[in-house]
Amino acid sequence: EAGVTQSPTHLIKTRGQQATLRCSPISGHTSVYWYQQALGLGLQFLLWYDEGEERNRGNFPPRFSGRQFPNYSSELNVNALELEDSALYLCASTPPGITDTQYFGPGTRLTVL
Amino acid sequence: GNSVTQMEGPVTLSEEAFLTINCTYTATGYPSLFWYVQYPGEGLQLLLKATKADDKGSNKGFEATYRKETTSFHLEKGSVQVSDSAVYFCALGTYTDKLIFGTGTRLQVFP
Repeated sequence: EAGVTQSPTHLIKTRGQQATLRCSPISGHTSVYWYQQALGLGLQFLLWYDEGEERNRGNFPPRFSGRQFPNYSSELNVNALELEDSALYLCASTPPGITDTQYFGPGTRLTVL
Repeated sequence: GNSVTQMEGPVTLSEEAFLTINCTYTATGYPSLFWYVQYPGEGLQLLLKATKADDKGSNKGFEATYRKETTSFHLEKGSVQVSDSAVYFCALGTYTDKLIFGTGTRLQVFP
C-alpha cells in the first residue's frame, strides 16, 4: 500500500512569491492534515481538511490556505512568502472517522530567500 | 489546554545501552498517545501508540506505557542500535483533529 506522498520534495522561492505544495493521502483516507516544522519551533498544526471541507486551522495568518480535491488530495498555498516561512511542511492523512492516528508523508522543504 | 512535554536532548548513548525518553502530558478527557520517529531528512513515522490507560504500545523493540496516574508515556528500549539515531516526538491526539507534539528529543547512538 502506498503511503502519503508529497510534492515537490524541495521548493525554493523568494520573499513575496507564492508557494504551492501538494499532498496525496493513503488510498481510502479522507482527511488530510498539514503541519509546519520550522527550525527550533517543533511541529505546528496548520490545517485539517475532511471530505473537501476545511475543518480547522491552527494559529497561522490567512495567507496560509489550501483546499482538498474530490479525490482527497490536497494543496497548501502560502502567499506573500516571508523568510520565516522556511520550514519542512508535513502532510498526514487518516481514514474516515479517525483523527488521532495520523500517517505522515516525507514532507516538502520550503526555502524562502 | 492540551500539551506535551518531552525531555530535552540530545540523548547520547553507546550501542546496546538502555534508552528512556521521558514524556508527560496535560489533557482534558482521554487522549490517545503516540511516539513518532523522524530519521534524518525524512518525514515522521508512527512508532507506537496507546489509546487508553495502562495500554502498552510496542514496536521494533521500543515500548511505552500509558500511565494516567502520572500523566506519562515514557519511551524505552532495552538495547539501542546506531540505526535508532533519530529525533523522537511524543504526541497527544484527541477525537477532534490535530495532534499536539512535544518538541522532540534527538537520540545519538555511537558504536
